This record gives sequence, structure tokens and C-alpha cells, in this order.
Amino acid sequence: QKEVEQDPGPLSVPEGAIVSLNCTYSNSAFQYFMWYRQYSRKGPELLMYTYSSGNKEDGRFTAQVDKSSKYISLFIRDSQPSDSATYLCAMSAPNTGNQFYFGTGTSLTVIP
Amino acid sequence: GAVVSQHPSWVICKSGTSVKIECRSLDFQATTMFWYRQFPKQSLMLMATSNEGSKATYEQGVEKDKFLINHASLTLSTLTVTSAHPEDSSFYICSARVLYGTERNNEQFFGPGTRLTVL
Repeated sequence: QKEVEQDPGPLSVPEGAIVSLNCTYSNSAFQYFMWYRQYSRKGPELLMYTYSSGNKEDGRFTAQVDKSSKYISLFIRDSQPSDSATYLCAMSAPNTGNQFYFGTGTSLTVIP
Repeated sequence: GAVVSQHPSWVICKSGTSVKIECRSLDFQATTMFWYRQFPKQSLMLMATSNEGSKATYEQGVEKDKFLINHASLTLSTLTVTSAHPEDSSFYICSARVLYGTERNNEQFFGPGTRLTVL
């Protein structure tokens, strides 16, 4: 079983839709949860960073962490064509040398 | 803040030659840098962890003699692909960990990546 599972998609939505992206994980020691956006042929860009459980909102983006279910989500409101990218979840545990465990990424296309 | 650069952004080389990729943290000091490899439509695969002033720690299955890593300062790490072969063609991405912080101490900031093509 992989440490982190993420549906690769592809996911295609019309402009203005609400997008829900999800990851599940198996390691209960994970405390840091990140979402990265990666455009084609570019490095990942940090979108959201959450420590432990709860919700975090930043503009049109909301990250949720449910540690009891080992499930994290990223919601994108009022999606735009510029949101078309691959979204990677990543997580890590304290005292593990800062090793990140990545999901495979979900490819998102927002259609104008 | 927290900008990481990589150079070159793309490189084409002949089989058997060596290629050096630089990773720099531009506005912060990074005790730890990471090197990843990414194949098309796949996630990032951690190759090695690079700590300033010490030997890199390689992940299982990564040849340390083929992928030489040097972390000479708090702002620069280099990855040298020695005797490159076509199967080494990939997208190589580095990241840097912020030196100081509280709960954000575990953040990694990624470079833009280097696309290597070996002919």
C-alpha cells in the first residue's frame, strides 16, 4: 500500500465550478499537509500548508485535514482556466528528516 | 520570499557525458536541500537529501556514484549526472527547506526544474 493515495484524474470542469481534490494516507504520524500546484514543465508551487487537523482558507482555496479519517481535501471555488494544472498533495511527519510523501497528482482542466 | 532557482532549465547532452545542475536558494538559507526526479505524468520521486557540509543521503535504488551531490554552502547544492545515458532523461527538481521557523519549519520550496535529455 502506498503511503499516499491520490486519484490521478484527469478531472475536467467548466469555468466557475467548485473543484474538490482529495488524498488519503496510511501513516498516522503525518502532521504536515501540503498542496502543490504544478504547471506543465515547471516545478511545484506551494498552494496551501496545514499543520495537524482543521481547515485553512486562502482566497478561492480551502484545505481540509481530517486526521481521524486520514483524508485531506483541497477545494477550489470559482475555478478559472488558469487553475488548469496538476495538483499534488504532500505530507510529512516530525523527526523523519523532512521527507515528503507525495501523491501521484491530479490533472485538472478548467474549460472556459 | 523563499525563491529557489535551478540552472540550467533544460539541457541536451550526448550519452557518456556528465551534466551538472545547480540549485540555489535566493533569499534564504537552507540547511537541507532535496533532489527529486519526475517522469511524465508521474509524481516526484525523492532521490537524495543534501545537507550543507556533509554527505548526501540517497534513497534506496539511487546510485550515489552516478548522481553526485554537493552541498557546499547554505544556498547552493549541485547534482551531477555522471556518464549520462538516455534512461537518465527526466525532469530533475530540487527543493530547499527553510532554515528557521516554527510550525512552518518543515516547508519545502521547489525550484523550477531542469529537463535533461540524453541523446
